[in-house]
Amino acid sequence: KAGVTQTPRYLIKTRGQQVTLSCSPISGHRSVSWYQQTPGQGLQFLFEYFSETQRNKGNFPGRFSGRQFSNSRSEMNVSTLELGDSALYLCASSLTGQAFYGYTFGSGTRLTVV
Amino acid sequence: EDQVTQSPEALRLQEGESSSLNCSYTVSGLRGLFWYRQDPGKGPEFLFTLYSAGEEKEKERLKATLTKKESFLHITAPKPEDSATYLCAVARGNQFYFGTGTSLTVIP
Repeated sequence: KAGVTQTPRYLIKTRGQQVTLSCSPISGHRSVSWYQQTPGQGLQFLFEYFSETQRNKGNFPGRFSGRQFSNSRSEMNVSTLELGDSALYLCASSLTGQAFYGYTFGSGTRLTVV
Repeated sequence: EDQVTQSPEALRLQEGESSSLNCSYTVSGLRGLFWYRQDPGKGPEFLFTLYSAGEEKEKERLKATLTKKESFLHITAPKPEDSATYLCAVARGNQFYFGTGTSLTVIP
């Protein structure tokens, strides 16, 4: 059974640019959540999508957006990149989206903004 | 305010030296407490879920326990391959609240 796949694994972008990250959930999973991980803040919740609808959003600026497609694949976009956006971006999938049942995480995309 | 706090931030153990990691939380409406292991450059890997106070779960050298305010991850006779960051998360609705983790190093 394939796990959660995130692409690309590594990215280097320049301040002011925009970036799109991709996440393919486990087959059959309809919920995809995105988290930002930094050494100082740990994992911070960005947003959660279920059946193409954003159901919950964390406390991040509007530069961070996402979407989910009909096949449950999800993309996350960050516009006007800032140095502080450098982080490991993790995607997690679950069958129903209820955290109660646990999530399976991908290996993440390491974004470096220079 | 919902908060999850892990201690210590870092822990160095000699191989075979048992210890415990702590996770305390103030999240209301808790629906479950999760322990994950994260290796460098990888995503968190699920270890345990605990749902009610008094519950215990074991896996090899790891044992997780839960009270009303905190959880402990006990590591018995650790080996170098147990070196990793251990993350605690509490579930509320469709969101996790994570602690910042304990970085464990086991020295041969």
